[in-house]
Amino acid sequence: SAVISQKPSRDICQRGTSLTIQCQVDSQVTMMFWYRQQPGQSLTLIATANQGSEATYESGFVIDKFPISRPNLTFSTLTVSNMSPEDSSIYLCSVERDRGVGTQYFGPGTRLTVL
Amino acid sequence: AQSVTQLGSHVSVSEGALVLLRCNYSSSVPPYLFWYVQYPNQGLQLLLKYTSAATLVKGINGFEAEFKKSETSFHLTKPSAHMSDAAEYFCAVSGRDDKIIFGKGTRLHILP
Repeated sequence: SAVISQKPSRDICQRGTSLTIQCQVDSQVTMMFWYRQQPGQSLTLIATANQGSEATYESGFVIDKFPISRPNLTFSTLTVSNMSPEDSSIYLCSVERDRGVGTQYFGPGTRLTVL
Repeated sequence: AQSVTQLGSHVSVSEGALVLLRCNYSSSVPPYLFWYVQYPNQGLQLLLKYTSAATLVKGINGFEAEFKKSETSFHLTKPSAHMSDAAEYFCAVSGRDDKIIFGKGTRLHILP
């Protein structure tokens, strides 16, 4: 498995501001993922972040709104930009440890409320 | 393309009774299948996974799931429910492209 931490664990933000979420892993991993879980919903993949390359965004998500950094093999950040109440969600990062098997391990999530 | 259907957004069982959470999948390639559990205010924890070895997969906390290709199912079971099993359970499928598609989730309620 993997030990994954996220900061902050929760935050309440004002409309129009931005929040950067950090994800730290206890060992080097190639692939990291960012998900959004809206209230009462399942997980939706925002983007895949590989170290040394640009993040790959899923349909409906754009870099201007959700810029991602992946400076090394143990760390990534997701920024939620120009926030609106519709961005209120839990944001989770995950890592893939068993390449070729597809197993992902998740961080505890960041609970974001936008007023 | 892959997809997952979880039958029942809410399931209630009595403590000590059998737990059965249903999951059907669709995949254009031999799939990897997963069950994750999410306790309140926590992230997702991997319960078990199927990766084309044994069709009956045993996971943590006494859970197991059986891969049935003919039925395209991967139902999760536990012989005897415990109060601590109350949580949200997600079935997920991967088409071996490093992406996981999650079902909508089933909230399990345990009745005393």
